[in-house]
Amino acid sequence: NAGVTQTPKFQVLKTGQSMTLQCAQDMNHEYMSWYRQDPGMGLRLIHYSVGAGITDQGEVPNGYNVSRSTTEDFPLRLLSAAPSQTSVYFCASMTRDRNYEQYFGPGTRLTVT
Amino acid sequence: KQEVTQIPAALSVPEGENLVLNCSFTDSAIYNLQWFRQDPGKGLTSLLLIQSSQREQTSGRLNASLDKSSGRSTLYIAASQPGDSATYLCAPQDDYKLSFGAGTTVTVRA
Repeated sequence: NAGVTQTPKFQVLKTGQSMTLQCAQDMNHEYMSWYRQDPGMGLRLIHYSVGAGITDQGEVPNGYNVSRSTTEDFPLRLLSAAPSQTSVYFCASMTRDRNYEQYFGPGTRLTVT
Repeated sequence: KQEVTQIPAALSVPEGENLVLNCSFTDSAIYNLQWFRQDPGKGLTSLLLIQSSQREQTSGRLNASLDKSSGRSTLYIAASQPGDSATYLCAPQDDYKLSFGAGTTVTVRA
């Protein structure tokens, strides 16, 4: 299994641009989440999904959209990038069958200028 | 809102010393608690998962304890090695969501 994969690894955007961060998992996990990590702070939850077609907001959802059309994929869309969205973004997945142990992707480092 | 605190924020020890990393959280209604390791510029690697009904979990040189009622978990790393140098993150989970502390950055000196 590849586990949780994320693309791209690095991205630079100008303020106001939009883009989609890709996340995929091949473990048939029901649950998927997006977190952001900023220096000196813990990871914070942006959005999560408990299954295909079902998404919900986390702690810091503003400026981001998600959808979950398949079990495997959970893309994160930045609608109009702002410098405050400069961060490292991590996607994670988990399953009830493994006691909800979360598996993380390698991250996408995003800079907004 | 779950608040997670990890103490100390940084730790530097000579090789061979045992490590004790502390984590406290404010809401004891958790489903489980995970400890992660993060190397600079890398993702999170799961080290141990303790279910809320468990008191401790062990994997090799790692042992994690959980006292849910008092909102505390401790990660013990025995006989530290330079390869243990990393940031360690504690994350209690409730309602499908992890809450993270800022982590403890460990440096093991050869």
